[in-house]
Formats: sequence, C-alpha cells, structure tokens
Amino acid sequence: DAGVIQSPRHEVTEMGQEVTLRCKPISGHNSLFWYRQTMMRGLELLIYFNNNVPIDDSGMPEDRFSAKMPNASFSTLKIQPSEPRDSAVYFCASNRDRVDGYTFGSGTRLTVV
Amino acid sequence: AQKVTQAQTEISVVEKEDVTLDCVYETRDTTYYLFWYKQPPSGELVFLIRRNSFDEQNEISGRYSWNFQKSTSSFNFTITASQVVDSAVYFCALSGSSNAGGTSYGKLTFGQGTILTVHP
Repeated sequence: DAGVIQSPRHEVTEMGQEVTLRCKPISGHNSLFWYRQTMMRGLELLIYFNNNVPIDDSGMPEDRFSAKMPNASFSTLKIQPSEPRDSAVYFCASNRDRVDGYTFGSGTRLTVV
Repeated sequence: AQKVTQAQTEISVVEKEDVTLDCVYETRDTTYYLFWYKQPPSGELVFLIRRNSFDEQNEISGRYSWNFQKSTSSFNFTITASQVVDSAVYFCALSGSSNAGGTSYGKLTFGQGTILTVHP
C-alpha cells in the first residue's frame, strides 16, 4: 500500500500565479479530505469528498480556491490567483466511509512570494 | 459545532519522565470518534489511535496510554518513560460518526496541538 500520495512536496510560486496541488488517495478509500496547516490557524479542513462528490466545502477560504475529484483515485486543489497568505502546508487525507482511520499524505509546502 | 481544546501549548520534559497531554472536546453528536496524531519534525501526520465514544476503556500500547472519560469530555494521552524520539507536536482530533448524520459527520476537527520536547 503506497499510502496517500501528494505532489508536489514543495511549491514556490509568485503572487498571482495559479497553483495546483494533487492527491492520490489510498485505493479503496472512498472519502478524501483537504486540510491546510498554518501557525496561526492550525489544521483546518478545507473540503471533503465522499464517493467523488464534494460533501462540505465550507472551509474553503474564498473563491480563489477550488477542488475537484474527477475519479476515485485523483483529486486536485487549485488556487487562482495565489496570494502570500496562502502560504501553508496542504495535506490530503483519505479514509473508508469517513470515520475509519484517516491516513494523511506527506503534505505540500506552498510558498507564495 | 465541534471543538477540541489542547490547553498545553508546549511541554518540556527530561528523558524517562512520564508526560500527559490533555485533550478536552465539545460535540453535540451522540456518537463520535476521538483521535490522536503525532507530527514529528519531518512534518507528516502519524495516526496513533482512534476511539469510539461508546468505548470508554483505557488503552495501552507500549509506552503510550490513553484515558477516555466521557463524563469530563476528555481524552488524555500519556507517554511513559519518554524518549527523545517522542519529541513532536501531538494533535487530538474529533469526528462525528455515521450515526450522527449531522454536519460533523466525517469532519475531523483538530486541536491546536501540543509541542512536546524531550531533552536527553
């Protein structure tokens, strides 16, 4: 089992650029979660999908953020345009049936300059 | 709304000391799950334990033990004979269960974390 795979591990981009973060959940897991970690706000849930359908996106900070899950093995989180305050570590997690153990990816460290 | 409070921002101990990390939670769900995660300096989030709200038995895994008390809404974590490798940020988290059906279902809410430093 390869675990939850996120790419890239690190991303440095200039303000105003589009950023796309990618996640491959564990095979057989039907729920996928995007979290953001910052010093000020800790770990906060941005959005989660169940069976590829977005269930709760109330944590998405604003319209610049969007997430998709076109199939059971792939999800993206897009920020357009990016701003320096978006700098954070973005984690993807997956589990089975939403309340099984959550497995987290290694995270993407995003720096917007 | 769910809330998890880890009142201890930072704890510093010397190796071989026992240390307890506190976690207090709030939820309106009748059934829920509680979790502890470890985040070492490398940054990944490592799952330690999941507890169903129906199961108040304490659990021990090696040097780790967990004390769940529903009456005080607490789920504390104790490391016995701490080691330098235990140095990390520890997060307590809460999720509504399938029986809740409310907005907390499936949402893992984290506490702010406790930074544990174990000195040699």
